[in-house]
Amino acid sequence: AQSVAQPEDQVNVAEGNPLTVKCTYSVSGNPYLFWYVQYPNRGLQFLLKYITGDNLVKGSYGFEAEFNKSQTSFHLKKPSALVSDSALYFCAVRGRDDKIIFGKGTRLHILP
Amino acid sequence: DAGVIQSPRHEVTEMGQEVTLRCKPISGHNSLFWYRQTMMRGLELLIYFNNNVPIDDSGMPEDRFSAKMPNASFSTLKIQPSEPRDSAVYFCASRPEVLGEQYFGPGTRLTVT
Repeated sequence: AQSVAQPEDQVNVAEGNPLTVKCTYSVSGNPYLFWYVQYPNRGLQFLLKYITGDNLVKGSYGFEAEFNKSQTSFHLKKPSALVSDSALYFCAVRGRDDKIIFGKGTRLHILP
Repeated sequence: DAGVIQSPRHEVTEMGQEVTLRCKPISGHNSLFWYRQTMMRGLELLIYFNNNVPIDDSGMPEDRFSAKMPNASFSTLKIQPSEPRDSAVYFCASRPEVLGEQYFGPGTRLTVT
């Protein structure tokens, strides 16, 4: 069965420090992986995706994610956090049957 | 492009009433998705369409929920009769291609009293 796990409900990071939001997945066939961000009272916004190719994917707002097939992970990272990065982050996976599963979300708090 | 358009943005209704949520996807996008978001259950996929055809409605909670896509530029999600437990934010999203990312609308906040 397809699944996505975001093990942390909340992550707190001081401004200027690197941040990591974790995501692991389980899927049949090749994984297609996505990260989205949701600001208060808004719809989800696409950040980045992994389809194939380079394991390190760069996206919007300075975010990047590393695909690790052996660990079935797709962690979201940023070298230096901004207060404006505070939001709810979702990892999603698309499997062979085009079914798209979202994780439960991780709330990121950047402390000034 | 104006992005995905949803209406109404807010809906307050009484239990037992019919509710219709509307979505206009981005022009040229082939797939359309309906989601529901609550604090308790997070983001749930209700149904999605490819080329106006429903592909997977396994997430639709029960027969009170129905969705249609009569053409490529319009979709509705109907709840009849509505119940307080249907209170949530309902999102519509469209996608340009099978491996593409989804573009979400601003959502409709539904409150059933």
